[in-house]
Amino acid sequence: NAGVTQTPKFQVLKTGQSMTLQCAQDMNHEYMSWYRQDPGMGLRLIHYSVGAGITDQGEVPNGYNVSRSTTEDFPLRLLSAAPSQTSVYFCASSYSGQGIDTQYFGPGTRLTVL
Amino acid sequence: QQPVQSPQAVILREGEDAVINCSSSKALYSVHWYRQKHGEAPVFLMILLKGGEQKGHEKISASFNEKKQQSSLYLTASQLSYSGTYFCGTESGSNYKLTFGKGTLLTVNP
Repeated sequence: NAGVTQTPKFQVLKTGQSMTLQCAQDMNHEYMSWYRQDPGMGLRLIHYSVGAGITDQGEVPNGYNVSRSTTEDFPLRLLSAAPSQTSVYFCASSYSGQGIDTQYFGPGTRLTVL
Repeated sequence: QQPVQSPQAVILREGEDAVINCSSSKALYSVHWYRQKHGEAPVFLMILLKGGEQKGHEKISASFNEKKQQSSLYLTASQLSYSGTYFCGTESGSNYKLTFGKGTLLTVNP
Protein backbone atom coordinates (compact mmCIF):
# COMPACT_ATOMS: atom_id res chain seq x y z
CA ASN A 1 0.00 0.00 0.00
CA ALA A 2 1.23 3.49 -0.85
CA GLY A 3 -0.82 4.98 2.01
CA VAL A 4 -1.54 8.69 1.54
CA THR A 5 0.20 10.40 -1.37
CA GLN A 6 0.38 14.10 -2.12
CA THR A 7 1.56 15.96 -5.18
CA PRO A 8 3.42 18.18 -5.75
CA LYS A 9 5.97 18.18 -2.91
CA PHE A 10 6.95 21.79 -3.56
CA GLN A 11 5.21 24.59 -5.41
CA VAL A 12 5.84 28.29 -5.96
CA LEU A 13 2.94 30.46 -7.12
CA LYS A 14 2.48 34.10 -7.90
CA THR A 15 -0.28 36.05 -6.19
CA GLY A 16 -3.58 35.51 -7.99
CA GLN A 17 -2.68 32.18 -9.58
CA SER A 18 -4.81 29.12 -8.96
CA MET A 19 -3.73 25.56 -8.46
CA THR A 20 -4.85 22.17 -7.17
CA LEU A 21 -3.04 20.14 -4.54
CA GLN A 22 -3.62 16.46 -5.10
CA CYS A 23 -4.24 13.88 -2.38
CA ALA A 24 -4.94 10.18 -2.81
CA GLN A 25 -5.20 7.21 -0.46
CA ASP A 26 -5.42 3.49 -1.14
CA MET A 27 -6.69 2.33 2.25
CA ASN A 28 -10.42 2.69 1.48
CA HIS A 29 -10.79 5.29 4.22
CA GLU A 30 -14.07 7.16 4.40
CA TYR A 31 -12.65 10.22 6.19
CA MET A 32 -10.19 12.58 4.53
CA SER A 33 -8.99 15.98 5.61
CA TRP A 34 -6.72 18.87 4.69
CA TYR A 35 -4.60 20.80 7.19
CA ARG A 36 -2.24 23.68 6.89
CA GLN A 37 0.74 24.05 9.18
CA ASP A 38 2.37 27.38 9.89
CA PRO A 39 5.29 27.95 12.28
CA GLY A 40 4.11 28.09 15.88
CA MET A 41 0.47 27.48 14.94
CA GLY A 42 0.12 23.72 14.92
CA LEU A 43 -2.13 22.05 12.36
CA ARG A 44 -5.32 23.83 11.33
CA LEU A 45 -8.18 22.04 9.60
CA ILE A 46 -9.17 23.52 6.22
CA HIS A 47 -11.82 21.11 4.89
CA TYR A 48 -12.80 17.54 5.54
CA SER A 49 -14.93 14.80 4.02
CA VAL A 50 -16.68 11.82 5.61
CA GLY A 51 -17.27 10.07 2.29
CA ALA A 52 -17.59 10.49 -1.45
CA GLY A 53 -19.86 13.41 -2.25
CA ILE A 54 -19.76 14.83 1.29
CA THR A 55 -17.49 17.71 2.30
CA ASP A 56 -17.56 20.31 5.04
CA GLN A 57 -15.58 23.29 6.24
CA GLY A 58 -12.98 23.21 8.94
CA GLU A 59 -11.38 25.98 10.93
CA VAL A 60 -9.77 27.98 8.08
CA PRO A 61 -11.70 27.30 4.83
CA ASN A 62 -11.57 30.73 3.17
CA GLY A 63 -9.74 30.75 -0.15
CA TYR A 64 -9.92 26.97 -0.58
CA ASN A 65 -12.33 24.61 -2.31
CA VAL A 66 -12.60 20.84 -2.15
CA SER A 67 -14.60 18.08 -3.77
CA ARG A 68 -14.78 14.32 -3.19
CA SER A 69 -15.97 12.46 -6.25
CA THR A 70 -14.29 9.17 -5.28
CA THR A 71 -13.29 7.50 -2.03
CA GLU A 72 -9.61 7.63 -3.02
CA ASP A 73 -9.11 11.27 -4.03
CA PHE A 74 -9.57 14.55 -2.19
CA PRO A 75 -8.05 17.51 -4.09
CA LEU A 76 -7.65 20.95 -2.56
CA ARG A 77 -8.06 23.96 -4.85
CA LEU A 78 -6.60 27.38 -4.23
CA LEU A 79 -8.82 29.77 -6.15
CA SER A 80 -6.63 32.90 -6.19
CA ALA A 81 -3.40 32.41 -4.27
CA ALA A 82 -2.37 34.98 -1.67
CA PRO A 83 0.90 35.30 0.28
CA SER A 84 -1.04 34.40 3.45
CA GLN A 85 -1.53 30.94 1.96
CA THR A 86 2.19 30.23 2.09
CA SER A 87 2.31 27.15 4.27
CA VAL A 88 2.87 23.41 4.44
CA TYR A 89 -0.27 21.49 3.50
CA PHE A 90 -0.99 18.01 4.82
CA CYS A 91 -3.67 15.64 3.68
CA ALA A 92 -4.80 12.86 6.02
CA SER A 93 -7.20 9.93 5.93
CA SER A 94 -8.79 7.58 8.44
CA TYR A 95 -11.66 5.22 9.02
CA SER A 96 -14.64 6.95 10.51
CA GLY A 97 -17.24 5.61 12.84
CA GLN A 98 -18.41 7.70 15.73
CA GLY A 99 -15.79 10.38 15.24
CA ILE A 100 -12.30 10.38 13.79
CA ASP A 101 -10.06 7.31 14.03
CA THR A 102 -6.29 7.07 13.53
CA GLN A 103 -5.28 9.58 10.87
CA TYR A 104 -2.57 8.73 8.36
CA PHE A 105 -0.86 11.82 7.00
CA GLY A 106 0.65 12.33 3.59
CA PRO A 107 4.20 13.71 3.23
CA GLY A 108 2.99 17.28 2.72
CA THR A 109 3.16 19.98 0.05
CA ARG A 110 5.28 23.03 0.76
CA LEU A 111 3.63 26.00 -0.96
CA THR A 112 5.15 29.46 -1.38
CA VAL A 113 3.07 32.33 -2.75
CA LEU A 114 5.04 35.34 -3.94
CA GLN B 1 -10.89 26.95 20.20
CA GLN B 2 -7.38 25.58 20.16
CA PRO B 3 -6.43 23.32 23.09
CA VAL B 4 -3.56 24.56 25.22
CA GLN B 5 -0.47 22.41 25.53
CA SER B 6 2.14 22.61 28.26
CA PRO B 7 5.02 22.82 28.47
CA GLN B 8 5.89 24.49 25.18
CA ALA B 9 9.29 22.81 25.20
CA VAL B 10 11.16 20.30 27.30
CA ILE B 11 14.71 18.96 27.22
CA LEU B 12 15.51 15.54 28.63
CA ARG B 13 18.46 13.25 28.98
CA GLU B 14 18.03 9.75 27.64
CA GLY B 15 16.21 7.61 30.19
CA GLU B 16 14.33 10.47 31.86
CA ASP B 17 10.56 10.81 31.97
CA ALA B 18 8.30 13.57 30.72
CA VAL B 19 4.64 14.54 30.87
CA ILE B 20 2.92 16.66 28.23
CA ASN B 21 -0.44 18.18 29.05
CA CYS B 22 -3.37 19.21 26.87
CA SER B 23 -6.27 21.28 28.12
CA SER B 24 -9.48 22.34 26.40
CA SER B 25 -12.25 24.76 27.29
CA LYS B 26 -14.81 22.58 25.50
CA ALA B 27 -16.41 19.28 26.46
CA LEU B 28 -14.48 16.62 24.58
CA TYR B 29 -15.43 13.45 22.75
CA SER B 30 -11.86 12.39 22.05
CA VAL B 31 -8.23 13.42 22.40
CA HIS B 32 -5.63 12.45 19.79
CA TRP B 33 -1.85 12.56 20.18
CA TYR B 34 0.63 12.81 17.30
CA ARG B 35 4.40 13.21 17.06
CA GLN B 36 6.09 15.08 14.26
CA LYS B 37 9.78 15.07 13.48
CA HIS B 38 11.30 18.04 11.69
CA GLY B 39 10.42 18.08 8.00
CA GLU B 40 8.17 15.04 8.27
CA ALA B 41 4.46 14.32 8.54
CA PRO B 42 2.75 13.83 11.91
CA VAL B 43 2.56 10.22 13.10
CA PHE B 44 -0.24 8.78 15.21
CA LEU B 45 0.45 7.91 18.87
CA MET B 46 -2.80 7.60 20.82
CA ILE B 47 -6.54 8.16 20.79
CA LEU B 48 -8.43 8.51 24.06
CA LEU B 49 -12.20 8.41 23.89
CA LYS B 50 -14.87 9.62 26.22
CA GLY B 51 -15.88 6.63 28.29
CA GLY B 52 -12.37 5.28 28.74
CA GLU B 53 -11.50 3.51 25.50
CA GLN B 54 -7.91 3.97 24.33
CA LYS B 55 -6.06 3.04 21.20
CA GLY B 56 -2.40 3.46 20.49
CA HIS B 57 1.19 2.35 20.82
CA GLU B 58 2.07 -0.06 23.62
CA LYS B 59 5.06 1.96 24.80
CA ILE B 60 3.11 5.21 25.08
CA SER B 61 0.62 5.89 27.84
CA ALA B 62 -1.85 8.70 28.31
CA SER B 63 -4.77 9.75 30.45
CA PHE B 64 -8.01 11.60 29.74
CA ASN B 65 -9.90 13.45 32.45
CA GLU B 66 -13.32 14.04 30.88
CA LYS B 67 -14.60 16.24 33.69
CA LYS B 68 -11.64 18.62 33.45
CA GLN B 69 -11.30 18.33 29.64
CA GLN B 70 -7.64 17.50 30.08
CA SER B 71 -5.30 14.86 28.74
CA SER B 72 -1.72 14.01 29.58
CA LEU B 73 0.84 12.04 27.58
CA TYR B 74 3.43 10.12 29.60
CA LEU B 75 6.82 9.40 28.09
CA THR B 76 8.86 7.10 30.29
CA ALA B 77 12.49 6.05 29.96
CA SER B 78 12.87 8.40 27.00
CA GLN B 79 14.94 7.41 24.00
CA LEU B 80 16.67 9.61 21.43
CA SER B 81 13.96 8.62 18.94
CA TYR B 82 11.33 10.32 21.13
CA SER B 83 12.60 13.73 20.06
CA GLY B 84 10.11 15.75 18.04
CA THR B 85 7.08 17.97 18.40
CA TYR B 86 4.05 16.46 20.12
CA PHE B 87 0.58 17.66 19.21
CA CYS B 88 -2.70 16.98 20.89
CA GLY B 89 -5.87 17.23 18.86
CA THR B 90 -9.33 17.45 20.36
CA GLU B 91 -12.72 16.53 18.96
CA SER B 92 -15.89 17.86 20.54
CA GLY B 93 -19.10 15.91 20.29
CA SER B 94 -18.01 13.48 17.58
CA ASN B 95 -18.18 16.28 14.99
CA TYR B 96 -15.32 15.03 12.78
CA LYS B 97 -13.32 18.22 13.32
CA LEU B 98 -9.95 17.81 15.01
CA THR B 99 -8.50 20.96 16.57
CA PHE B 100 -4.78 20.76 17.31
CA GLY B 101 -2.75 22.54 19.94
CA LYS B 102 0.40 24.48 19.07
CA GLY B 103 2.66 21.62 20.03
CA THR B 104 5.32 20.70 22.59
CA LEU B 105 8.91 20.43 21.39
CA LEU B 106 10.65 17.51 23.10
CA THR B 107 14.40 17.15 22.82
CA VAL B 108 16.13 14.05 24.15
CA ASN B 109 19.89 14.30 24.52
CA PRO B 110 22.38 11.47 25.07
